[in-house]
Amino acid sequence: AQSVTQPDIHITVSEGASLELRCNYSYGATPYLFWYVQSPGQGLQLLLKYFSGDTLVQGIKGFEAEFKRSQSSFNLRKPSVHWSDAAEYFCALGTYKYIFGTGTRLKVLA
Amino acid sequence: NAGVTQTPKFQVLKTGQSMTLQCAQDMNHNSMYWYRQDPGMGLRLIYYSASEGTTDKGEVPNGYNVSRLNKREFSLRLESAAPSQTSVYFCASSENEGRNEQYFGPGTRLTVT
Repeated sequence: AQSVTQPDIHITVSEGASLELRCNYSYGATPYLFWYVQSPGQGLQLLLKYFSGDTLVQGIKGFEAEFKRSQSSFNLRKPSVHWSDAAEYFCALGTYKYIFGTGTRLKVLA
Repeated sequence: NAGVTQTPKFQVLKTGQSMTLQCAQDMNHNSMYWYRQDPGMGLRLIYYSASEGTTDKGEVPNGYNVSRLNKREFSLRLESAAPSQTSVYFCASSENEGRNEQYFGPGTRLTVT
């Protein structure tokens, strides 16, 4: 079955600290993977995407993600978090339609 | 270039009332989607339209109908609203279905009392 799991519902980090948000997927073929961010009261904005090729992909706002086929993972990272990064983050698997994870809400401490 | 627009932004309905949520995109995309977002459940697909003239059910279609009016517009109708349909509704579009980036509207917050 096709699925996306985001194991962490909430994560709290201090401003300036590094961040890693986890995403695991289940899919039989080469996955198309996406990370979206949703600020409060807003729609979703694409951070980055993986289709093929280089397994480390760069996105907007200083985010990057690494695709690891052996671990069925596509974790999102940022070296130094800013207060404005506080939001909800969604991982998605693109097959003939999207499958979203349940999201991880990030809180940033000043 | 407005992207994806949705109307209204907020709506309160009484149980049994009907309403239509409107969505339009100006990116010449072929595919359009309706999602609902509920706390702790992420986004769930209600209906989608892979191309003009086609619509298909998603994960949670019960209680909803859709119309792909033309390439730009994709509306979602609640015929008889129920409290369980209280949610935030998002419309999205993509160049083609599935594997392309989706562009989201700002959402409609619907409360059914």
